[in-house]
Amino acid sequence: QKEVEQDPGPLSVPEGAIVSLNCTYSNSAFQYFMWYRQYSRKGPELLMYTYSSGNKEDGRFTAQVDKSSKYISLFIRDSQPSDSATYLCAMTGRAAGNKLTFGGGTRVLVKP
Amino acid sequence: DGGITQSPKYLFRKEGQNVTLSCEQNLNHDAMYWYRQDPGQGLRLIYYSQIVNDFQKGDIAEGYSVSREKKESFPLTVTSAQKNPTAFYLCASSKAGDLYEQYFGPGTRLTVT
Repeated sequence: QKEVEQDPGPLSVPEGAIVSLNCTYSNSAFQYFMWYRQYSRKGPELLMYTYSSGNKEDGRFTAQVDKSSKYISLFIRDSQPSDSATYLCAMTGRAAGNKLTFGGGTRVLVKP
Repeated sequence: DGGITQSPKYLFRKEGQNVTLSCEQNLNHDAMYWYRQDPGQGLRLIYYSQIVNDFQKGDIAEGYSVSREKKESFPLTVTSAQKNPTAFYLCASSKAGDLYEQYFGPGTRLTVT
């Protein structure tokens, strides 16, 4: 079983809809939780990171972490065709080897 | 413009040949990383370096080698010992201790036939 699980998709939504993405993990040592966006054949771009449990909002993006359930989410409001990309979650923690562990990514398609 | 550059964007090699991928950053970051990405899979850490002249193996270091002679540069050599070298290679950097805030380069797609 992988340490971080992420549904590969594709997740197809109409423009303007809310995109809901999530990851589950097994290592309770993870403390930092990141979301990256990756366009086809490009390097990942850090969207936001969250420390420990709670919510964090940045513009149209909201990240949520529930450490008790080992579950993290990313919501994209008012989705645009330019949001079509693969979204990768990543996690780390000092007791987790101090390296990033990535999910496999979810491909998102926002249709005009 | 600060950022990370990787060259070339596409690289083709014959089996049995070593190949070196370039990674340069002008972000003044101490830490640099090399990842490999295969279709449908997350990124896997090959090597990382937290300071000049020092580096550590990641999860899949076999068949790869690195050097860190300058703060700005972290080249990766894919040797002939690497069983499945065809992949998308990504370089990243971060401030010391801020590994949760890594910035990635555009990647190099290596094809070995």
